[in-house]
Amino acid sequence: DGGITQSPKYLFRKEGQNVTLSCEQNLNHDAMYWYRQDPGQGLRLIYYSQIVNDFQKGDIAEGYSVSREKKESFPLTVTSAQKNPTAFYLCASSTSGTNTGELFFGEGSRLTVL
Amino acid sequence: DAKTTQPPSMDCAEGRAANLPCNHSTISGNEYVYWYRQIHSQGPQYIIHGLKNNETNEMASLIITEDRKSSTLILPHATLRDTAVYYCIVRANQAGTALIFGKGTTLSVSS
Repeated sequence: DGGITQSPKYLFRKEGQNVTLSCEQNLNHDAMYWYRQDPGQGLRLIYYSQIVNDFQKGDIAEGYSVSREKKESFPLTVTSAQKNPTAFYLCASSTSGTNTGELFFGEGSRLTVL
Repeated sequence: DAKTTQPPSMDCAEGRAANLPCNHSTISGNEYVYWYRQIHSQGPQYIIHGLKNNETNEMASLIITEDRKSSTLILPHATLRDTAVYYCIVRANQAGTALIFGKGTTLSVSS
């Protein structure tokens, strides 16, 4: 079945360590997105990519990095520069056609920094 | 900042219609209204979107006022499984822009 796969679902790391969250999609979507969600809050945009080898910063990109070497993959690295990395991270994808607001989301990765 | 205003919470009895309002008074002519919902600890799910005409699909109906400054999402027969956070988002339907989520409305459906 087509969809978006995020891994790992749960991740624990020590302070100061870099962490990479995986996001893979087999929907043949051009655009991919990373959002962060804190308890009781809405989603905040970290980075997004409209096409391979190109990406743009969202509202809260500081302390994060991404790459888009393949259409299917958009990994997110949470670096040690991110002051408060404990959160729920959501990856999404969409087409680049007329319905670009129809995002398909993964199940999320919950990162806890100890 | 999100361009929409939604009530933080609403209650609905099972089997009744749930009407979720959204204000978007600064919406531009090329911006669509999108609705998503998020069940606890899952990724958001697309529900419906529209530009100026009312829209209906298997999940819900979207009513947009004539001046496009507000809209209402209608779940015609709410069930317990419809308990979720509902997000109303406005966005131009073009490449290069991303959805910006606000805090949404927490809908609680009870029996």
